Amino acid sequence: QVQLVQSGAEVKKPGASVKVSCKASGYTFTGYYMHWVRQAPGQGLEWMGRINPNSGGTNYAQKFQGRVTMTRDTSISTAYMELSRLRSDDTAVYYCARVNVVRGKINWFDPWGQGTLVTVSS
Amino acid sequence: DIQMTQSPSSLSASVGDRVTITCRASQSISSYLNWYQQKPGKAPKLLIYAASSLQSGVPSRFSGSGSGTDFTLTISSLQPEDFATYYCQQSYSTAMYTFGQGTKLEIK
Repeated sequence: QVQLVQSGAEVKKPGASVKVSCKASGYTFTGYYMHWVRQAPGQGLEWMGRINPNSGGTNYAQKFQGRVTMTRDTSISTAYMELSRLRSDDTAVYYCARVNVVRGKINWFDPWGQGTLVTVSS
Repeated sequence: DIQMTQSPSSLSASVGDRVTITCRASQSISSYLNWYQQKPGKAPKLLIYAASSLQSGVPSRFSGSGSGTDFTLTISSLQPEDFATYYCQQSYSTAMYTFGQGTKLEIK
């Protein structure tokens, strides 16, 4: 079955960087864009950006430009999201999610990874 | 960016009730609207895509409607497992996806 499995929880100090991984299985990794979404404690969902696993091309939300880097390793079907210059308000659960597209435009996120809690604290 | 506004933000209802959640987009998004359910400590789960298409495996008591700027998610007869938070998401602008702020559905 299609599955995304993320790396474990992280605790980081302000100013540090964090790299979260998302390992895909059950489908052709290079055939679907991968997205990253975060959720601060008790808050809603916030889209961060996406990567084309085939080309490595990326698009980032304006808010994260300059701080986020999304990469992939096709040999192990894994996507990565690295966030730098961490602040306390970056404390959140970070999710990867595969996008599905039909008829060229209709698209949705499914499945999602289980989430990775990143805590930023001094 | 396209803003998505859900109402209400929270809702109390009883098992067996019919419940409707509304999502409004700041500009027309045609039918590029998805609904997700999220339970505490879990990842969001897709319920409805393209405004009204039921995801495989999702119970038929869930339905979606709307187009343009106004959309609704309806649960025809609430079950105990439906108490969760629901999010709408516009997928019209693929350069910047946005979600509604969420609607928390609680047991009355």
